[in-house]
Amino acid sequence: AQSVTQPDIHITVSEGASLELRCNYSYGATPYLFWYVQSPGQGLQLLLKYFSGDTLVQGIKGFEAEFKRSQSSFNLRKPSVHWSDAAEYFCAVGEGGTASKLTFGTGTRLQVTL
Amino acid sequence: NAGVMQNPRHLVRRRGQEARLRCSPMKGHSHVYWYRQLPEEGLKFMVYLQKENIIDESGMPKERFSAEFPKEGPSILRIQQVVRGDSAAYFCASSPEHLTGELFFGEGSRLTVL
Repeated sequence: AQSVTQPDIHITVSEGASLELRCNYSYGATPYLFWYVQSPGQGLQLLLKYFSGDTLVQGIKGFEAEFKRSQSSFNLRKPSVHWSDAAEYFCAVGEGGTASKLTFGTGTRLQVTL
Repeated sequence: NAGVMQNPRHLVRRRGQEARLRCSPMKGHSHVYWYRQLPEEGLKFMVYLQKENIIDESGMPKERFSAEFPKEGPSILRIQQVVRGDSAAYFCASSPEHLTGELFFGEGSRLTVL
């Protein structure tokens, strides 16, 4: 069965600092990978997705992620964090090469200090 | 263009009562998904529906839970005889007819069972 691991439950960074959120997945075939962000009391918003092709994908709000098959990872990065980026971030993998049945990680809560 | 609308946002039920959660997908979307988020956990897939059809209900508990997406009106997730373990946030997502690889999530319905 597929699974997603986000090893960092909580991360704190200073505004303007760089950010990397880790995500490791377990899936037999080429995965469909996603990063979602959830602000308090809100639904999830898609930041970016990887299906195939270039392993470095660009998303909204200045985020990017790199798919590394050898490490089974799909880490999310941002060169300079803004206070408004404080939220919970979820990595997900699509089962069976689809985006409909997603397996989510447990999330990483990002706190940004001024 | 309104997003995915879920209601109620908050619902309190006593053990043994019924809970009904509603989801109106985005305009033009014909695919609806329900996910459950237990405290301190990631979202877990429950069910995938198209109009009048259940496509995949592999994540639904075998008893007390049901879902429908009628030809007219919102999708409904129904939980009968609720127990404390049903307390969670229930998220609905939708996608268009031609799957684009993105799910659009609602803000969730938070169920509390006393």
